[in-house]
Amino acid sequence: AQTVTQSQPEMSVQEAETVTLSCTYDTSENNYYLFWYKQPPSRQMILVIRQEAYKQQNATENRFSVNFQKAAKSFSLKISDSQLGDTAMYFCALMEYGNKLVFGAGTILRVKS
Amino acid sequence: SAVISQKPSRDICQRGTSLTIQCQVDSQVTMMFWYRQQPGQSLTLIATANQGSEATYESGFVIDKFPISRPNLTFSTLTVSNMSPEDSSIYLCSVGRPGQAVADTQYFGPGTRLTVL
Repeated sequence: AQTVTQSQPEMSVQEAETVTLSCTYDTSENNYYLFWYKQPPSRQMILVIRQEAYKQQNATENRFSVNFQKAAKSFSLKISDSQLGDTAMYFCALMEYGNKLVFGAGTILRVKS
Repeated sequence: SAVISQKPSRDICQRGTSLTIQCQVDSQVTMMFWYRQQPGQSLTLIATANQGSEATYESGFVIDKFPISRPNLTFSTLTVSNMSPEDSSIYLCSVGRPGQAVADTQYFGPGTRLTVL
């Protein structure tokens, strides 16, 4: 069975600083995808970044990047130059090809001015 | 990605009644999903809805409680039946990428916040 673990219930960071959110997962498949979603108070789930497990290169989207360690089953999100608008709940999620998304418990990130 | 809308955005209902939530997509998509997010919790998949076939429900969710329709490639409904306060949650639909027969990414609608009194 797929599992996703986020061990940091809450994190805070100063504006313009860098923060890393942790995620570990478990799956028996070789073909899968990993995601970070952001959920601000508006409750809209926004796709932040996506990683294909068969790609060794870490995904990057502007200020967001991941550190994907396949052997360790680790998938952390780094947010550079944090902005007040980054304040949200962040969910790590795993999807085996064509299957459902399995979410972690989430990490509340607060960016302070 | 696709533009997804949900109706209603929120509702307050009495126990024992039913509510139907609509999910509309601006592109044709093969796979649509319905998730529940209970207060302060993560998201849990209720069912997968593919056009032309019966919805596939996850363990703990049954068709009598959460009937789903998928009449075409751009629309789906989820009904929450015989509601109780425990059904108070955010309900979200998601879709795979337009043109893909099998989802490798999911995009979410804005969600429906349901409160049952």
